[in-house]
Amino acid sequence: KQEVTQIPAALSVPEGENLVLNCSFTDSAIYNLQWFRQDPGKGLTSLLLIQSSQREQTSGRLNASLDKSSGRSTLYIAASQPGDSATYLCAATSQGGSEKLVFGKGTKLTVNP
Amino acid sequence: GAGVSQSPRYKVAKRGQDVALRCDPISGHVSLFWYQQALGQGPEFLTYFQNEAQLDKSGLPSDRFFAERPEGSVSTLKIQRTQQEDSAVYLCASSFQSSGDTQYFGPGTRLTVL
Repeated sequence: KQEVTQIPAALSVPEGENLVLNCSFTDSAIYNLQWFRQDPGKGLTSLLLIQSSQREQTSGRLNASLDKSSGRSTLYIAASQPGDSATYLCAATSQGGSEKLVFGKGTKLTVNP
Repeated sequence: GAGVSQSPRYKVAKRGQDVALRCDPISGHVSLFWYQQALGQGPEFLTYFQNEAQLDKSGLPSDRFFAERPEGSVSTLKIQRTQQEDSAVYLCASSFQSSGDTQYFGPGTRLTVL
């Protein structure tokens, strides 16, 4: 059974800092891994999707990496801004089964002006 | 274009009442998913449809939960005889095809059972 863990649970940084959010998963036989952002009271916004054959994906100030062998993914945010404050969730889709996403509990990020 | 929409956005039910939650996926999306998110937790999978076929319902917590997508578009999640532990945000997501495409989420329905 796939389990996804995210650390830290919460992170507070000053504006402009570069930061890394961590995600680990127990079953390396994943199909892909997605990073989402969730604002309070809102649904999830997809940020990046990394296929199992890829090592990383980039979108603007965001870069996500995937290391299947170690069961880890990281989300790197460059030059953080107060508008980046949100909860960040990672989720894995396992091979050979349902298309369902298995989520971590998220990291709550606060970027202070 | 329009994203995934859900209605109602908020629902308050008395314990024992039945509720129905609606999801309108992005037009043309084949796959539809329901997730349940408790406060402070990540979403947990409930069920998955490919067109009108319910291919995975392994996450439904009890037989009080029922989902349908009769015409392969709009989906309804029904909860019978609601209990306090059913209080959560119910999220719907859709994707263009299967095989691990990006899932696009709706805003969710916050259910509170008193």
